[in-house]
Amino acid sequence: ETGVTQTPRHLVMGMTNKKSLKCEQHLGHNAMYWYKQSAKKPLELMFVYSLEERVENNSVPSRFSPECPNSSHLFLHLHTLQPEDSALYLCASSQDGAERDTQYFGPGTRLTVL
Amino acid sequence: DQQVKQNSPSLSVQEGRISILNCDYTNSMFDYFLWYKKYPAEGPTFLISISSIKDKNEDGRFTVFLNKSAKHLSLHIVPSQPGDSAVYFCAARLYGQNFVFGPGTRLSVLP
Repeated sequence: ETGVTQTPRHLVMGMTNKKSLKCEQHLGHNAMYWYKQSAKKPLELMFVYSLEERVENNSVPSRFSPECPNSSHLFLHLHTLQPEDSALYLCASSQDGAERDTQYFGPGTRLTVL
Repeated sequence: DQQVKQNSPSLSVQEGRISILNCDYTNSMFDYFLWYKKYPAEGPTFLISISSIKDKNEDGRFTVFLNKSAKHLSLHIVPSQPGDSAVYFCAARLYGQNFVFGPGTRLSVLP
């Protein structure tokens, strides 16, 4: 595997379900990100982990819970979501601290909340 | 209020011609800019970058121009190919802070 991978690619869940999104990066980076992309809106940064510590949480509802067990893996745990949470969830990684850090994205998980 | 704007939601260009995608930003302190390309059902792919100390960066068919006084960024694709049809996002960053993304422009290159 190369680059940034995400599983599952598609997920349909009910409002009472609990599910998790997984991201893995094979680039040796030390920072990972979760973004939400809704239709016709800019990418919204949700969480940032640098050196496995959360450094930013842009006021994301608590029904989204991130976990970063090591520098290569990132999870987004989902529970009691709302239909408006349906979106494309993108994971990215970068080398934090580099002057010209570029984020590399995974293919995303298309989430539908019924 | 959006700090990074892409005012054209879509653009259609004939194959072989030049595609010009525009991006405007509000924060004059942004020091690094990126363009990403996104195909349906895939994540954004890094395309080209430019630092605020430059006004032009070229990579093959892709050239990014930066006009700091106008706070304007543009991506030129010459010649355009049908495989360039995608959504293009610009992103800007203050050093040490996170990138801010524009809403994207959908480019259609017509054969």
